Amino acid sequence: DQQVKQNSPSLSVQEGRISILNCDYTNSMFDYFLWYKKYPAEGPTFLISISSIKDKNEDGRFTVFLNKSAKHLSLHIVPSQPGDSAVYFCAAKQGGTYKYIFGTGTRLKVLA
Amino acid sequence: DSGVTQTPKHLITATGQRVTLRCSPRSGDLSVYWYQQSLDQGLQFLIQYYNGEERAKGNILERFSAQQFPDLHSELNLSSLELGDSALYFCASSGIVDTQYFGPGTRLTVL
Repeated sequence: DQQVKQNSPSLSVQEGRISILNCDYTNSMFDYFLWYKKYPAEGPTFLISISSIKDKNEDGRFTVFLNKSAKHLSLHIVPSQPGDSAVYFCAAKQGGTYKYIFGTGTRLKVLA
Repeated sequence: DSGVTQTPKHLITATGQRVTLRCSPRSGDLSVYWYQQSLDQGLQFLIQYYNGEERAKGNILERFSAQQFPDLHSELNLSSLELGDSALYFCASSGIVDTQYFGPGTRLTVL
């Protein structure tokens, strides 16, 4: 049972436009969410996180939105740059545990 | 560079064999996590250690085991290897904040 789902395996966006990556979860006990970026032949790199007590967190070009009622998380990248082309994973942690559940990733391609 | 190191980078072995993957966490991080990423799959959490003790267990097979040593480095032991164990194995570490920093991974190929 996949508790964290990234239903879009890939996404293409023009340089300068907004990239929106989506993530859905099923476990209402998740209290901390993270986004990671992964380039080929490298480990995932932390991008941005959000606690369940917030609905938005912003860091430069990256903004994460959390809609707890919909159990939905999204990452906005504005403006998108070719260097953003990578696989993006969302992850969630259940409160009181140390287990992180990752989605299967979305491959973002930013076209120059 | 995340500060997490993993060795070896690549490992090719045969079915039935045993291998050990090594991870050194970032300086000061007490937690170490192990993940498996098979082809086109997400990261599957295997196990977490905190300051030498097992703290959380995920979908780790009985053929796999791990430990964290007093110097905080960790080893993941995979035995009786099967073709399906071929994957990328990532180690991550974290400190006080719940943000994990990942190593570059070890690519295991079982022939």
